Amino acid sequence: AQSVTQPDIHITVSEGASLELRCNYSYGATPYLFWYVQSPGQGLQLLLKYFSGDTLVQGIKGFEAEFKRSQSSFNLRKPSVHWSDAAEYFCAVGGSGNTGKLIFGQGTTLQVKP
Amino acid sequence: NAGVTQTPKFQVLKTGQSMTLQCAQDMNHNSMYWYRQDPGMGLRLIYYSASEGTTDKGEVPNGYNVSRLNKREFSLRLESAAPSQTSVYFCASRGQGKETQYFGPGTRLLVL
Repeated sequence: AQSVTQPDIHITVSEGASLELRCNYSYGATPYLFWYVQSPGQGLQLLLKYFSGDTLVQGIKGFEAEFKRSQSSFNLRKPSVHWSDAAEYFCAVGGSGNTGKLIFGQGTTLQVKP
Repeated sequence: NAGVTQTPKFQVLKTGQSMTLQCAQDMNHNSMYWYRQDPGMGLRLIYYSASEGTTDKGEVPNGYNVSRLNKREFSLRLESAAPSQTSVYFCASRGQGKETQYFGPGTRLLVL
């Protein structure tokens, strides 16, 4: 079965500290992988995506993610968190083929301490 | 360029009432999607339209109907609202041959 797991429901980090949000997936074919961010009361904004090639992908707002096929993981990282990064983060898999359907993880809420 | 727009932004319904959520995109995208977002459950696909003239069920279609009115517009209808349909609803679209979905701002629905 196709699924996405984000093991951490809630994470708190201090401003300036590094961040890693975990994402594990189960998908039959070569996965297309995405990270979206949702600020309170807002829609989802694409942070970055992986389709093929270099397994380390760069996104907006200083985020990066690394695709590890052997671990079925696509973890999101940022070297130094800013207070404005407080939001909910969603990992998603799928998007290929005619339907383009996405399967989302449960989401991780990031709180940033001053 | 507005992208994906949704109306209304917020709605309160009584159990048994009906309503239609509207979605439009101005990016000439072929595919459109309706999701619901509930705490701790991420986004779940309700219905999608891979191309104009086609619609298919997603993961949680019960209690909903959709209409792909034209290439731009994709509406979601609740015929008889239930409290379990209290949620935030997102519409998204995707270009042909592309992989990324673009999301609207969402509609918050409260069913009493």
